[in-house]
Amino acid sequence: DAGVTQSPTHLIKTRGQHVTLRCSPISGHKSVSWYQQVLGQGPQFIFQYYEKEERGRGNFPDRFSARQFPNYSSELNVNALLLGDSALYLCASSPRLADPTNEQFFGPGTRLTVL
Amino acid sequence: AQRVTQPEKLLSVFKGAPVELKCNYSYSGSPELFWYVQYSRQRLQLLLRHISRESIKGFTADLNKGETSFHLKKPFAQEEDSAMYYCALRNSGYALNFGKGTSLLVTP
Repeated sequence: DAGVTQSPTHLIKTRGQHVTLRCSPISGHKSVSWYQQVLGQGPQFIFQYYEKEERGRGNFPDRFSARQFPNYSSELNVNALLLGDSALYLCASSPRLADPTNEQFFGPGTRLTVL
Repeated sequence: AQRVTQPEKLLSVFKGAPVELKCNYSYSGSPELFWYVQYSRQRLQLLLRHISRESIKGFTADLNKGETSFHLKKPFAQEEDSAMYYCALRNSGYALNFGKGTSLLVTP
């Protein structure tokens, strides 16, 4: 298993555009979380999905949305891009939703640059 | 509000010296605390979690509820320990709340 995979690796967009980022979890994992990591900061939680339902949402505007598909892969969509959306977007998967032994496995991230 | 504070942005130690990366948290409930590590050109990965009370790669971390701290310690630092370290808290929900991270540099 290649672990959590994300596409694309890098992306350059201009202000006002929209973007779709994709994530494939580890086989057998049903929970996917999205994080935004701005340069010099720790990852900040955006969404968590489990069994195709949103189970948690961080403090992000409605321009951010996500969904999870029947195969447990996930997309993160960002509309009306702002310069401040430039960041590394991380996807993490875990077998279940939340229990003390539930480890989140992170993907390599998608680097989004908004010009 | 829950918050994770890592006061040191950069910590530089010599090989063989003890190392302590500080983490303080604020949370009114019963927290689950973790240390994640990111080595150069690798993805973020779990190092250890407080409920396991384990030692990974010589690192340990003890949850001190009185001081609301979860400091990461290693008695003898190695060059391969150089990496970015993040302390994270998970509340009764499902999200990880990360600190800003500490860059550890171990020099020979």
